[in-house]
Amino acid sequence: IAGITQAPTSQILAAGRRMTLRCTQDMRHNAMYWYRQDLGLGLRLIHYSNTAGTTGKGEVPDGYSVSRANTDDFPLTLASAVPSQTSVYFCASSLDWNTGELFFGEGSRLTVL
Amino acid sequence: EDQVTQSPEALRLQEGESSSLNCSYTVSGLRGLFWYRQDPGKGPEFLFTLYSAGEEKEKERLKATLTKKESFLHITAPKPEDSATYLCAVEETSGSRLTFGEGTQLTVNP
Repeated sequence: IAGITQAPTSQILAAGRRMTLRCTQDMRHNAMYWYRQDLGLGLRLIHYSNTAGTTGKGEVPDGYSVSRANTDDFPLTLASAVPSQTSVYFCASSLDWNTGELFFGEGSRLTVL
Repeated sequence: EDQVTQSPEALRLQEGESSSLNCSYTVSGLRGLFWYRQDPGKGPEFLFTLYSAGEEKEKERLKATLTKKESFLHITAPKPEDSATYLCAVEETSGSRLTFGEGTQLTVNP
C-alpha cells in the first residue's frame, strides 16, 4: 500500500539519549517534512526537504537534525533528548514543495523522561 | 507572522444537525488554504484546497468556502463517522511553509 511509514510507533526515552525517528515514503514525492503536534500548539514544522540532497529549517528546529540522502527516506534525529521534546511526531510528504496537499504518516509518540 | 485561528475548539452535534466550523487567518498574501481531517491516533488526511475568495469545494457532507479573511467548513446532516478533528492551514504567497490552526474537535452523536 502506497504511503508513508514511520517507526517506531511509540518510544520512551531517557533524557540525554540519542534517538532517530525513521520515515519512508513510496510515492516518489519530492518534498518531505517533519512536524510535531502538541496539545494547545497544533502542528509545528521542525525541518523540511524540498528534494533529495537538500534540507531546511522549519519553525522549531533546535535540538533536531535531518538528512535526505535519497527520495524515499527522511530520518529525524534527536542528538540528546530533553523532556520538552515529548510529543507526537508526524512525517509528511508532498509531490512538490509548493503544494499544501500533504500526505502524513501515522505518527511516532515519543516520551522523554 | 502568519496566524490561523480555528473556532470553536470543540463542537458536539446530534446526527443530522448541520453546522459550520470557522478558520480565520492573517497573512500578507494568501497562496492557498487547506482543510485536513485527523482521526484519533492518526495523521491528518487532506480534504480540500481553496485558492481565492468565493471558491467552494464539496466532498460528501462537507463543503468548504473561502473569503478574504476566513474559511468555513460546512457539515450538512453529519453522521457519527464524521467525528474527527478538522484542521485548517494556510500557505503564504512568499512560499513559506504551511501554518496550521489548532483544530476543531467535532463529535457527532447518534
